[in-house]
Amino acid sequence: NAGVTQTPKFQVLKTGQSMTLQCAQDMNHEYMSWYRQDPGMGLRLIHYSVGAGITDQGEVPNGYNVSRSTTEDFPLRLLSAAPSQTSVYFCASRFTGGYGYTFGSGTRLTVV
Amino acid sequence: DAKTTQPTSMDCAEGRAANLPCNHSTISGNEYVYWYRQIHSQGPQYIIHGLKNNETNEMASLIITEDRKSSTLILPHATLRDTAVYYCIVRGPTGTASKLTFGTGTRLQVTL
Repeated sequence: NAGVTQTPKFQVLKTGQSMTLQCAQDMNHEYMSWYRQDPGMGLRLIHYSVGAGITDQGEVPNGYNVSRSTTEDFPLRLLSAAPSQTSVYFCASRFTGGYGYTFGSGTRLTVV
Repeated sequence: DAKTTQPTSMDCAEGRAANLPCNHSTISGNEYVYWYRQIHSQGPQYIIHGLKNNETNEMASLIITEDRKSSTLILPHATLRDTAVYYCIVRGPTGTASKLTFGTGTRLQVTL
């Protein structure tokens, strides 16, 4: 049982490039979410999913796309990277009837 | 979801109890109080949650006032490993929109 696995751990992108941050969980959790954390700030919700095939926007969705084709995976796509998207990205999941989220260890993204 | 107010930082001597307060004066009747912590740059870790009654688990205790407008997280015997940012979050019942709204939290420094 690996929990929530995020890849890569570190990434440097040039402005305008696109990439996908991977998130996978092996706990059969229905809910999955993506957050970003900027220096000195709390986490902000980007997108979330309540189950396969269902996604919705969070607080800061612009510039990001998500899809949920399986229960296990919830990738986050940056369409055209901008320096403002430099941040640490966290993926989280939980059961529908559960209370606590399990978070991944994060992806540190730098856009130059 | 109700907004929360926490002190920016607190210190605690190792071995002593750490009492972290949180105000949530606009909490609704069906909203829960959650506590998470984030150690250094790791993903947040779920600690405990409660609705009305005081709760205790292997990590901490949660004391919620009778009017539910404030709560206190208690780490009974703080250790250096408890140095982290602690987030108090109020959200609706499970099964509702899957969101956690993080503030800036309380930075707890445990010292020798």
